[in-house]
Amino acid sequence: SQELEQSPQSLIVQEGKNLTINCTSSKTLYGLYWYKQKYGEGLIFLMMLQKGGEEKSHEKITAKLDEKKQQSSLHITASQPSHAGIYLCGADLNYNQGGKLIFGQGTELSVKP
Amino acid sequence: DVKVTQSSRYLVKRTGEKVFLECVQDMDHENMFWYRQDPGLGLRLIYFSYDVKMKEKGDIPEGYSVSREKKERFSLILESASTNQTSMYLCASSFRVETQYFGPGTRLLVL
Repeated sequence: SQELEQSPQSLIVQEGKNLTINCTSSKTLYGLYWYKQKYGEGLIFLMMLQKGGEEKSHEKITAKLDEKKQQSSLHITASQPSHAGIYLCGADLNYNQGGKLIFGQGTELSVKP
Repeated sequence: DVKVTQSSRYLVKRTGEKVFLECVQDMDHENMFWYRQDPGLGLRLIYFSYDVKMKEKGDIPEGYSVSREKKERFSLILESASTNQTSMYLCASSFRVETQYFGPGTRLLVL
């Protein structure tokens, strides 16, 4: 089983709709990273969260880390076709492991014009 | 701007060939990582390195080796390529425990 579970695995939304992707762990998340990947390409860093209750935003994307530091959500407001891609969460599950991350399986987002 | 480059975007090799995948970063990062990405399995760590000439096994090191002779360069070696090593290979680098930055990936097909 995955140490880091993402849901849903795939998502199709109409342009302009809001959506949420979740990333859940049974262990404490010491650092939680969100990345976006276009098909066949590398990962682009979006945001990093470390503190319980932390929330960060960039343009129309907001990421939150819950108080218990075991779940993070990524919320996109008024989705656009440019938001389409695979979203991955990566986490540091062991304190002071030198930056080694575990990744979720990814959520594939399609945005219909 | 952060820059991680990989030597090839696409590569086709035959079973049994020795394959070299190169990764270069220009950010003076200590840490470098090699992952493979497969549908349904996500990203899996093959090897990582904390410093020049240092290497640590990741979750799936079998069939692979690595080399880090210079700080900016981390090479992944497939000693004898097999069809089950057909995959997308991603390199990343980071400064200590901070954010990992990824290269564009190499899609390897082993026939």
